[in-house]
Amino acid sequence: GAVVSQHPSWVICKSGTSVKIECRSLDFQATTMFWYRQFPKQSLMLMATSNEGSKATYEQGVEKDKFLINHASLTLSTLTVTSAHPEDSSFYICSARDRRRGTDTQYFGPGTRLTVL
Amino acid sequence: KQEVTQIPAALSVPEGENLVLNCSFTDSAIYNLQWFRQDPGKGLTSLLLIQSSQREQTSGRLNASLDKSSGRSTLYIAASQPGDSATYLCAITGANSKLTFGKGITLSVRP
Repeated sequence: GAVVSQHPSWVICKSGTSVKIECRSLDFQATTMFWYRQFPKQSLMLMATSNEGSKATYEQGVEKDKFLINHASLTLSTLTVTSAHPEDSSFYICSARDRRRGTDTQYFGPGTRLTVL
Repeated sequence: KQEVTQIPAALSVPEGENLVLNCSFTDSAIYNLQWFRQDPGKGLTSLLLIQSSQREQTSGRLNASLDKSSGRSTLYIAASQPGDSATYLCAITGANSKLTFGKGITLSVRP
């Protein structure tokens, strides 16, 4: 149980285009999902916290208009990188908290590798 | 602000060796501590989770300890195998329920 998927697993796009990444909890309902970004040889940095049915909470320094987050259902959150540029190339990982378990355990997706040319 | 440090950044050992990976953190007001494994280009696999009230957790050849007062945790790997080669990340869940990660230790186990 507690499986989280991400789609796509990798994407290559041209500078200026927008890219949408999906995060799904497959066998549980997640009221809260988290989006992280990881640059090579660096730790995961929390970008935003996504709560179902409400606006996402962004960490300091993360542009909310550039990284659009939608959490429309208890099993799906999406991250859209708008007008992507090469500096947005990174590994994006989502996680989801299982509401049934009543703990702060986060279950992580496999990640999405974004390369902006 | 919580800071998590993992030193060294990389470690290479011969197969069969017992080893210890270290993690230190600056704020002892933690909810729990987790050790994750990350293979190249992949997501995270949770290895062990220690609640703030616990001292250690064990799973197979892995043992993780937690000393909140000194801000330290260790991950002990017994009888290392080439399949253990990966990056090991330490992460703290703070009172705000957010995870703070270290940069990880890249382990290479030589056959």
